[in-house]
Amino acid sequence: KAGVTQTPRYLIKTRGQQVTLSCSPISGHRSVSWYQQTPGQGLQFLFEYFSETQRNKGNFPGRFSGRQFSNSRSEMNVSTLELGDSALYLCASSRGGVGSGANVLTFGAGSRLTVL
Amino acid sequence: DAKTTQPPSMDCAEGRAANLPCNHSTISGNEYVYWYRQIHSQGPQYIIHGLKNNETNEMASLIITEDRKSSTLILPHATLRDTAVYYCIVRVRTGFKTIFGAGTRLFVKA
Repeated sequence: KAGVTQTPRYLIKTRGQQVTLSCSPISGHRSVSWYQQTPGQGLQFLFEYFSETQRNKGNFPGRFSGRQFSNSRSEMNVSTLELGDSALYLCASSRGGVGSGANVLTFGAGSRLTVL
Repeated sequence: DAKTTQPPSMDCAEGRAANLPCNHSTISGNEYVYWYRQIHSQGPQYIIHGLKNNETNEMASLIITEDRKSSTLILPHATLRDTAVYYCIVRVRTGFKTIFGAGTRLFVKA
């Protein structure tokens, strides 16, 4: 079965611009979570969506937002980009719900954002 | 979600077992232990998970102490391709923050 697909894989933006990243989860997975990875801070949780509802949010400013559509695809948006937003943005999907196997995360390859 | 503590780096000789420890002393009764690894700049890859019993799959074995405050991931015959950052996390289910620590950077040497 197809894995988690993230687009675009690479992008370059300038300060002040905004960016939208897309994540298509594995078919049947209802939960999508987003992470930011930088050399200095490691993997940091951004937010998680389940059935179109944001279930939790990490400690990021309001410039970072996301949403999930009825087909479970998700997008995240970063507005007013800053140099420090340069990072690898990872999306992961899981079936969701209760039970150990339901919450195994499958990650995409990531979208590498460079802010100049 | 509980936090985890792992050594920053470990070395292992190729062909030998790699034993990667993780401390999760604040784990709650319904939190599972999950292990992932990340090879340079790729997305993390799931390895194994468990609640309280030891688990084994085709990739690795997971040993969880009886008090569940720590666990060990065992790669029985490490290869050069196992060189990666290994993350141990504890998680209940969706709706909770997933906290990744710094992980353990495993170097497998020929």
